[in-house]
Amino acid sequence: AQTVTQSQPEMSVQEAETVTLSCTYDTSESDYYLFWYKQPPSRQMILVIRQEAYKQQNATENRFSVNFQKAAKSFSLKISDSQLGDAAMYFCAYRSRTGNTPLVFGKGTRLSVIA
Amino acid sequence: KAGVTQTPRYLIKTRGQQVTLSCSPISGHRSVSWYQQTPGQGLQFLFEYFSETQRNKGNFPGRFSGRQFSNSRSEMNVSTLELGDSALYLCASSLAPGQYNEKLFFGSGTQLSVL
Repeated sequence: AQTVTQSQPEMSVQEAETVTLSCTYDTSESDYYLFWYKQPPSRQMILVIRQEAYKQQNATENRFSVNFQKAAKSFSLKISDSQLGDAAMYFCAYRSRTGNTPLVFGKGTRLSVIA
Repeated sequence: KAGVTQTPRYLIKTRGQQVTLSCSPISGHRSVSWYQQTPGQGLQFLFEYFSETQRNKGNFPGRFSGRQFSNSRSEMNVSTLELGDSALYLCASSLAPGQYNEKLFFGSGTQLSVL
């Protein structure tokens, strides 16, 4: 079974600075998706960024980018120019492209942004 | 376009009671998934429905059940509530499961407290 591990329960960053959240996963599959979701105090999970495993190029979405290392099974999220609105729980998630499998989430990292 | 709507937002029940939670997906979405979120276990998959059929089920006891109606709205039911069922229950919808560019959209959840 696939597992997702986020080793940092809490992180903090100064406003306007850069922070990197770590995620590792375990799978025997070669074709899958990886995601980062943000959960603010409103509780709604919001998709931040998605990476297809077959793509070597790291995904970027404005101030958010990932460092995808397939061989190392690592998928970190970098937030540049951090803003107060970035404060939230961040979840790393995995989903196989084959078969009938749901999203598998990590335990999350709580990010605080200091003004 | 309205987002995923979950009702009620908050619910307080006592042990032994049963509860029904509702999820209305984004218009046009035919797939609905349910997740349980707790501080200790994180996010765990409950079940997924597509076109009124259960496609996948997580590792939860039979007290947890669900269904999907012809208009794609979904309900989940928990019978004989236990203290450990206290959690945030999240619903997510997508156009159809397993598509290459599938994106899940989450609701804000129902916070269930069992006393």
